[in-house]
Amino acid sequence: DTGVSQDPRHKITKRGQNVTFRCDPISEHNRLYWYRQTLGQGPEFLTYFQNEAQLEKSRLLSDRFSAERPKGSFSTLEIQRTEQGDSAMYLCASNPGGRGYSGNTIYFGEGSWLTVV
Amino acid sequence: QKEVEQNSGPLSVPEGAIASLNCTYSDRGSQSFFWYRQYSGKSPELIMFIYSNGDKEDGRFTAQLNKASQYVSLLIRDSQPSDSATYLCAVWAGQGAQKLVFGQGTRLTINP
Repeated sequence: DTGVSQDPRHKITKRGQNVTFRCDPISEHNRLYWYRQTLGQGPEFLTYFQNEAQLEKSRLLSDRFSAERPKGSFSTLEIQRTEQGDSAMYLCASNPGGRGYSGNTIYFGEGSWLTVV
Repeated sequence: QKEVEQNSGPLSVPEGAIASLNCTYSDRGSQSFFWYRQYSGKSPELIMFIYSNGDKEDGRFTAQLNKASQYVSLLIRDSQPSDSATYLCAVWAGQGAQKLVFGQGTRLTINP
């Protein structure tokens, strides 16, 4: 399978614990995005990387959230001191890079579901 | 004003009829627009994109773009129960159009 891969697919954690999600983008895709989606809402942009550089981070993103893409390939999203409001699906997506027009879209992984109890 | 707005529905359409989904966007400079379909519990999948004014057809799907009115729509002809899903409109936004911004989605139900 050469699509975007996310792990784990499901995670249940107790409030206050840290969790980490991993994303492997489509091979040779330079851009990697993280989104969060809650029930009844569209995906909400969190952050994105161009190779290893984190170029934008949502103002809505708490400092408990951190993302890395150390070698410009896979990425991790860590949530520290989880809260019940963090329960959501965390989506990773990748894109070949370049200007965002003419169908240059993003391709999603299957998502990682987080439940904080 | 949100960058992308959709009627959240739910929209209910009888099988075989035309389903019409609408989306408005705020940035006049936006150039390309996307429709994703999302089944319950699954991630979004791209079904169409459009960047020129007018209509673009792909099988039973037609995307319509009106840049003057900042309006994008998706028509699904001969609706099937398998078309029941949430449809998300998305547009490149932000400085340099570097992030894809989504509407809240319209939930569509096709009734047999």
